[in-house]
Amino acid sequence: AQSVTQPDIHITVSEGASLELRCNYSYGATPYLFWYVQSPGQGLQLLLKYFSGDTLVQGIKGFEAEFKRSQSSFNLRKPSVHWSDAAEYFCAVLNTGGFKTIFGAGTRLFVKA
Amino acid sequence: GAVVSQHPSRVICKSGTSVKIECRSLDFQATTMFWYRQFPKQSLMLMATSNEGSKATYEQGVEKDKFLINHASLTLSTLTVTSAHPEDSSFYICSAGTGGRAGAEQYFGPGTRLTVT
Repeated sequence: AQSVTQPDIHITVSEGASLELRCNYSYGATPYLFWYVQSPGQGLQLLLKYFSGDTLVQGIKGFEAEFKRSQSSFNLRKPSVHWSDAAEYFCAVLNTGGFKTIFGAGTRLFVKA
Repeated sequence: GAVVSQHPSRVICKSGTSVKIECRSLDFQATTMFWYRQFPKQSLMLMATSNEGSKATYEQGVEKDKFLINHASLTLSTLTVTSAHPEDSSFYICSAGTGGRAGAEQYFGPGTRLTVT
């Protein structure tokens, strides 16, 4: 069965520091992978997605993610975090057979001054 | 582009009453809409998938008679929580997609906070 694992429930980084949020997936075929961000009480905003091609994907707000098939990972990175980046981040994989998106448990990012 | 709205954004109702939540794609036609439920500090759990003009497909464990979904047009889907109880209190989020690989991306609504007293 398809699954998404985000090992870190929460992460705290200093403003200006670099960030990496981990995501591992389990899927038999080539996955469609996504990272979403959710601010409190809000819906989800797509940061970036990977369907095929270049394994390093650029997204909005300065985020990028790298697809590593050998590690079944799709980690999200940002070189310099801003206080406004504090939010919940969800990694997700699309089950293309059923067009169902499976979400990870989420990682809460805290940014300290 | 690709904006999805939900109405209402917040609703409080009494136990035993029904509540309808609307999900609209404002600037595109959504062949498929999804309804999710999110408990505090938890991830999104898919409740059902609806395609325009056909019955919704419910996930295992989701009561279809309690959570009525109607997808009457390519821009509107509704979720009705019937005979709501306090345990139905949650954050409900819809998303809309155009289907196919090119439309694999889903566009999410801002969510509806339901509180049942």
